[in-house]
Amino acid sequence: EAGVAQSPRYKIIEKRQSVAFWCNPISGHATLYWYQQILGQGPKLLIQFQNNGVVDDSQLPKDRFSAERLKGVDSTLKIQPAKLEDSAVYLCASSLAVGGNSPLHFGNGTRLTVT
Amino acid sequence: DQQVKQNSPSLSVQEGRISILNCDYTNSMFDYFLWYKKYPAEGPTFLISISSIKDKNEDGRFTVFLNKSAKHLSLHIVPSQPGDSAVYFCAAKTMAGKSTFGDGTTLTVKP
Repeated sequence: EAGVAQSPRYKIIEKRQSVAFWCNPISGHATLYWYQQILGQGPKLLIQFQNNGVVDDSQLPKDRFSAERLKGVDSTLKIQPAKLEDSAVYLCASSLAVGGNSPLHFGNGTRLTVT
Repeated sequence: DQQVKQNSPSLSVQEGRISILNCDYTNSMFDYFLWYKKYPAEGPTFLISISSIKDKNEDGRFTVFLNKSAKHLSLHIVPSQPGDSAVYFCAAKTMAGKSTFGDGTTLTVKP
């Protein structure tokens, strides 16, 4: 099966600019997640979707971050305006089921550098 | 408040020996525990999991042990191989599907 696709792989922007990331999950996976991974730390959940509905966005900085999942498939994550501390790898993941030991399947991430 | 902790940032072992990676958690409501492996410039990939009602799960060279009373789990790799060199993340999952990750342990297996 094809894995989780993310683009772009790398992005460099100046602070206060905006940026968008795209994710296409594994076919048939209803649950989609966006994680932020800062260098030297583990992935931190930003938002969880079930189909096209938001399940958990409690850790999403909503004053600058937004995410949508149109038609329950592809998803985009946007940052506007970006800050220096947003420099990180943004990982998209999908899973077949929410509960149980159903693992996350990650894409290769987008490395964002804010200067 | 970090709910999942991996206190060893790095571990170095000789090829053929055992690698033991440790993880501690604070929330008793976690339902499953999973280990992920990450190579540079790639996303994490699932390795092995264990239910909160079990104390051991084995898959080939990989075994995960869970001590619920101590809120501690460990991943054993025997024998270790150079290809096992990677960052290993411990993750704890709730029934709602939210996974909380530790900060990872970088394993280096020397030939």
